[in-house]
Amino acid sequence: GAGVSQSPSNKVTEKGKDVELRCDPISGHTALYWYRQSLGQGLEFLIYFQGNSAPDKSGLPSDRFSAERTGGSVSTLTIQRTQQEDSAVYLCASSFGGPQETQYFGPGTRLLVL
Amino acid sequence: AQSVTQLGSHVSVSEGALVLLRCNYSSSVPPYLFWYVQYPNQGLQLLLKYTTGATLVKGINGFEAEFKKSETSFHLTKPSAHMSDAAEYFCAVSPNDYKLSFGAGTTVTVRA
Repeated sequence: GAGVSQSPSNKVTEKGKDVELRCDPISGHTALYWYRQSLGQGLEFLIYFQGNSAPDKSGLPSDRFSAERTGGSVSTLTIQRTQQEDSAVYLCASSFGGPQETQYFGPGTRLLVL
Repeated sequence: AQSVTQLGSHVSVSEGALVLLRCNYSSSVPPYLFWYVQYPNQGLQLLLKYTTGATLVKGINGFEAEFKKSETSFHLTKPSAHMSDAAEYFCAVSPNDYKLSFGAGTTVTVRA
């Protein structure tokens, strides 16, 4: 079946602009996660959704970052007023929920802020 | 709090040789443990995971890992490396909740 998809695959933006990153999880997966992968910080957890609720937003680096999930499916990560340090690969994952469940990752969105 | 340490950011092996990637974790409770592989410009793919039961876990592509609670380790091995094993490998833990904490990753190169 279809895996996790993310769009766009690459995004180049200018400092100060807003960007939206999209994630389509595997059908039936109730949990959705956003991670960020950067050279300096490795793989970092950003936010977790169970259904449409986000019980843990603790990994969001600043109030410029927000995310929502609708219909228990698609999620959008929004970065406002982008900064150069936001440049990274943003990875989305989904699972059936629960700490023992496998998280399936999308290919990521590579964001470059000039 | 939990953390994951992967010893060696880069490992180079000859084709056909043993692959050994080391992972140690610190956790206040027995964790769930995962190994993921990332090929260039791709997302992460699960190799194997330990949840409960048998401590020797077999995964895809001939990889296996052993959970050793006394050593807080979850090292990944493959008896015979193949050129297609060249990738970055990440150890991750999920102690008692949903989010994964990753190690820094180990890049494997395979020499012909």
